[in-house]
Amino acid sequence: RKEVEQDPGPFNVPEGATVAFNCTYSNSASQSFFWYRQDCRKEPKLLMSVYSSGNEDGRFTAQLNRASQYISLLIRDSKLSDSATYLCVVKTGGSQGNLIFGKGTKLSVKP
Amino acid sequence: NAGVTQTPKFRVLKTGQSMTLLCAQDMNHEYMYWYRQDPGMGLRLIHYSVGEGTTAKGEVPDGYNVSRLKKQNFLLGLESAAPSQTSVYFCASNNPGRSQETQYFGPGTRLLVL
Repeated sequence: RKEVEQDPGPFNVPEGATVAFNCTYSNSASQSFFWYRQDCRKEPKLLMSVYSSGNEDGRFTAQLNRASQYISLLIRDSKLSDSATYLCVVKTGGSQGNLIFGKGTKLSVKP
Repeated sequence: NAGVTQTPKFRVLKTGQSMTLLCAQDMNHEYMYWYRQDPGMGLRLIHYSVGEGTTAKGEVPDGYNVSRLKKQNFLLGLESAAPSQTSVYFCASNNPGRSQETQYFGPGTRLLVL
């Protein structure tokens, strides 16, 4: 089983749609969780950290289920500018633990 | 602040040639990383450094060497390039500690080995 698994997509949605991405991780000792966004031919950038209680940042909501080792990202009212690849990222270990990246889910928002 | 910068942006090498990729950060970060990104593979860690003068192997270190002689710079070397090293290389940096886990990435170096 791969360490971090994501549906590669692509997800093609109209503007204004709500879209959800899922991610599973294999290491139950994982401590920190993130969603990164990567635009075409650009570097990854942090979108948001994922906390146990769930967290929201504007139109974006992230959820973590430690028992099921599952992370989700919900995007409401999709904008054209949301088109990108969304990377699920997990950190295992202490302060020197390294990040494990999923392969990413591609989102394309159409007018 | 320039953040994390990488040079060169793009390079074409012939098999067997050598080159060095330079990463520089001006955020006074302790940790620095080199990743490669291939289609369908996601980002994979090559080497990393937790401080000046230290380096450690990541997931895919073979064929690469690194050096961290100055805190702000992290060099990635390919001694004898192979076509399998054709990839996009990203450098990243951050500080240790739970509140500072975000890794900041450079713009990438696209390498083609013929």
